[in-house]
Amino acid sequence: DAGVIQSPRHEVTEMGQEVTLRCKPISGHDYLFWYRQTMMRGLELLIYFNNNVPIDDSGMPEDRFSAKMPNASFSTLKIQPSEPRDSAVYFCASSLSGGNDNEQFFGPGTRLTVL
Amino acid sequence: LAKTTQPISMDSYEGQEVNITCSHNNIATNDYITWYQQFPSQGPRFIIQGYKTKVTNEVASLFIPADRKSSTLSLPRVSLSDTAVYYCLVGEGNSGYSTLTFGKGTMLLVSP
Repeated sequence: DAGVIQSPRHEVTEMGQEVTLRCKPISGHDYLFWYRQTMMRGLELLIYFNNNVPIDDSGMPEDRFSAKMPNASFSTLKIQPSEPRDSAVYFCASSLSGGNDNEQFFGPGTRLTVL
Repeated sequence: LAKTTQPISMDSYEGQEVNITCSHNNIATNDYITWYQQFPSQGPRFIIQGYKTKVTNEVASLFIPADRKSSTLSLPRVSLSDTAVYYCLVGEGNSGYSTLTFGKGTMLLVSP
């Protein structure tokens, strides 16, 4: 398996534009997580899915952020409109099952810069 | 809500043993203790996990005292390539669902 795949790896956009980040989890993994990492706040959980259903989106900053998982092999994180403070590295991770004893496998991340 | 406290940074030299201690005073009965490692420009990577006593794998050892209010990640004979951020996490959740709070971790710098 190629691991968790994220695209694009880098994204530079202007304030006000829509940004869509993509993730393909490891095949067979039932859980998918979206994280955001900044120097100031560290690595924060934004939302996670179980069997394509959003379970907890309490970490999503505001209504400008939305995430979907239309099928078991694809998820998107959308920011509309984007703002400079959204600049960060966004990671997608997947795990085989729930429970805090399950290893999460992270993708390489998408570095987002909003000008 | 379980919370962890770990040093912001540590320095070491090649060949030394490094011990990073994490406090988690409010750990719940069903929580596991997990450590992840993150290199620059990469996503975190699982290192080791334990529930109690001692766990050892090819990368590290994890020591957990009986009260489980703290844990120590031990890296034997570190090399320059062990320079990374190390996160200590305890699980939060119920009914089989789980979230992990990563925080800022411990930045380990290994020098020649």
